[in-house]
Amino acid sequence: QVQLQESGPGLVRPSETLSLTCTVSGGSGGNYYWSWIRQSPGKGLEWIGYVYFTGNTNYNPSLKSRVTISQDTSKNQFSLQLHSVTAADTAVYYCARDLTVAGKGGALDVWGQGKLVIVSA
Amino acid sequence: DIQMTQSPSSLSASIGDRVTITCQASLDISQYLNWYQQKPGKAPKLLISGASNLERGVSSRFTGSGSGTHFTLTITSLQPEDLATYYCQQFDNLRALTFGGGTKVEI
Repeated sequence: QVQLQESGPGLVRPSETLSLTCTVSGGSGGNYYWSWIRQSPGKGLEWIGYVYFTGNTNYNPSLKSRVTISQDTSKNQFSLQLHSVTAADTAVYYCARDLTVAGKGGALDVWGQGKLVIVSA
Repeated sequence: DIQMTQSPSSLSASIGDRVTITCQASLDISQYLNWYQQKPGKAPKLLISGASNLERGVSSRFTGSGSGTHFTLTITSLQPEDLATYYCQQFDNLRALTFGGGTKVEI
């Protein structure tokens, strides 16, 4: 059974880059879309973007100028970089598997447990 | 960008009640609509994909319907374990995902 686990610093200083990695275990990465989603404290869910197994990416237009998502297939990992962060980027960051290639458009069926990242000096 | 409007934002119901949550899309999204349940401190869980397809292992108390711009999630007989926040999520032709604002269900 596929499992996802986020890792990375829990504290990032303003104006710096937030970097998180999602490790896929219990199976190969597979030909899926792999997404990042975040949730600010007490707020709703916001899709950040995805990387496809081909390396293609797509980002939320509201974050596109600051986001880079990449993958390392040899390590079964994909990563998020969010540049020039502010306090508004404080959130729980989730990675998830997208089932579009299985005919379920945009359905996120496997999620990591989430990583709280606080942006503060 | 397609906007997703969920209503109500919160509701309180009794055990055994029938509960309905609605989700309105700003443009026609066919049936590219998924529903999630999120319990406090946990990651969201996929309940329904393609507007009406129940995911494996999800209770048959949950049903989804709709197409185009109007969708509903119904819990036919509310149980204590259904205390959660429910989100709709759309998938558009640019492969962007958008979530609704969420509906908090209290018992």
